[in-house]
Amino acid sequence: GAVVSQHPSRVICKSGTSVKIECRSLDFQATTMFWYRQFPKQSLMLMATSNEGSKATYEQGVEKDKFLINHASLTLSTLTVTSAHPEDSSFYICSATGPRNDEQFFGPGTRLTVL
Amino acid sequence: AQSVAQPEDQVNVAEGNPLTVKCTYSVSGNPYLFWYVQYPNRGLQFLLKYITGDNLVKGSYGFEAEFNKSQTSFHLKKPSALVSDSALYFCAVRPYGQNFVFGPGTRLSVLP
Repeated sequence: GAVVSQHPSRVICKSGTSVKIECRSLDFQATTMFWYRQFPKQSLMLMATSNEGSKATYEQGVEKDKFLINHASLTLSTLTVTSAHPEDSSFYICSATGPRNDEQFFGPGTRLTVL
Repeated sequence: AQSVAQPEDQVNVAEGNPLTVKCTYSVSGNPYLFWYVQYPNRGLQFLLKYITGDNLVKGSYGFEAEFNKSQTSFHLKKPSALVSDSALYFCAVRPYGQNFVFGPGTRLSVLP
């Protein structure tokens, strides 16, 4: 149980385009989802916390207009990187809080490369 | 500020030998403690957690971790390392009612 999926697993796009990444909880309802960014050989950096039906809470330094987060249902959250630039290239990982709200279950990650 | 330290960037161990990956933390209250493993280009996989009770926690793939409140440590251990254990390991804490705080990660290399 407690499986989180992400789609796509890998995406390459041109600079200036927008990219949408989906995060789904497959067998549980996730009231809270998290989006992380991970640079090579570094730890996870929390970007934002997303609660179903409400606006996401962004961490300091994360541009909310650039990284649009939508948590429209209890099983789906999306991250849209708008007007992507090469410096946005990174590994993006989502996670969801499980039913007992005491741990996070992580998706497999999405590797974004902006040319 | 709340923080998690993993003092070793890299740990090398021979296959069959015991391994230890260290973690110390500085948070308020009594947090939940976690270990995750990450393989290349993959998300994090849960290994084990400590919430309360016995200080020695057993988790997936033969890993265990020992909680030491006085030293604010939560070191990850395995009695006999496998080459397939080679990966990136993250310690994380979750202060009550707050988001996770991750350590910087430790790369474990198990040599055949």
